[in-house]
Amino acid sequence: ETGVTQTPRHLVMGMTNKKSLKCEQHLGHNAMYWYKQSAKKPLELMFVYSLEERVENNSVPSRFSPECPNSSHLFLHLHTLQPEDSALYLCASSQDHGTGVTEAFFGQGTRLTVV
Amino acid sequence: GQNIDQPTEMTATEGAIVQINCTYQTSGFNGLFWYQQHAGEAPTFLSYNVLDGLEEKGRFSSFLSRSKGYSYLLLKELQMKDSASYLCAVLRGNAGNMLTFGGGTRLMVKP
Repeated sequence: ETGVTQTPRHLVMGMTNKKSLKCEQHLGHNAMYWYKQSAKKPLELMFVYSLEERVENNSVPSRFSPECPNSSHLFLHLHTLQPEDSALYLCASSQDHGTGVTEAFFGQGTRLTVV
Repeated sequence: GQNIDQPTEMTATEGAIVQINCTYQTSGFNGLFWYQQHAGEAPTFLSYNVLDGLEEKGRFSSFLSRSKGYSYLLLKELQMKDSASYLCAVLRGNAGNMLTFGGGTRLMVKP
């Protein structure tokens, strides 16, 4: 496999469930990201990991919990979600040179529906 | 704060040229990206500008004016497959690729 792979592609969960989204990148990158894409709203950055350390958390509610066990894998653990959390969750990766800039490569996303 | 504006929708004809504008007001600027996103698919990278001027890449070109907080994406010889959303995103910070996105412009190409 190449690129950025997200599983599952679709997820329906109840408000009391606990589930996890998985992202894997095969590009040798050292930075990974979670973005949220809701209908009629811009892509929103949720979490950033660079060299497996969290460098930014954009005031995301604690019902979303990220985990980055190594530079190739990123998880988003979900619990006690609300219907307004229904959205497309996109994972991305890039090579963070510190002083240089490279483009982010995105996965195809997990379409989450909270019922 | 960050504010990035682009038109919500545009329509153009196959074979024509279309320009999608993006204006931004951001605290911190390290460049501007354009991404293409087809419905149900991942955003894919189109261009990156950090200096003023025009970057040309095949049928697509991107322009940046830092003093005006303005960019545009120019698509030439439009094809039906160019129907997609085009996302303008500003890069902020030097650690990690932290992008702030506009709402996207949905382009419909008609025969």
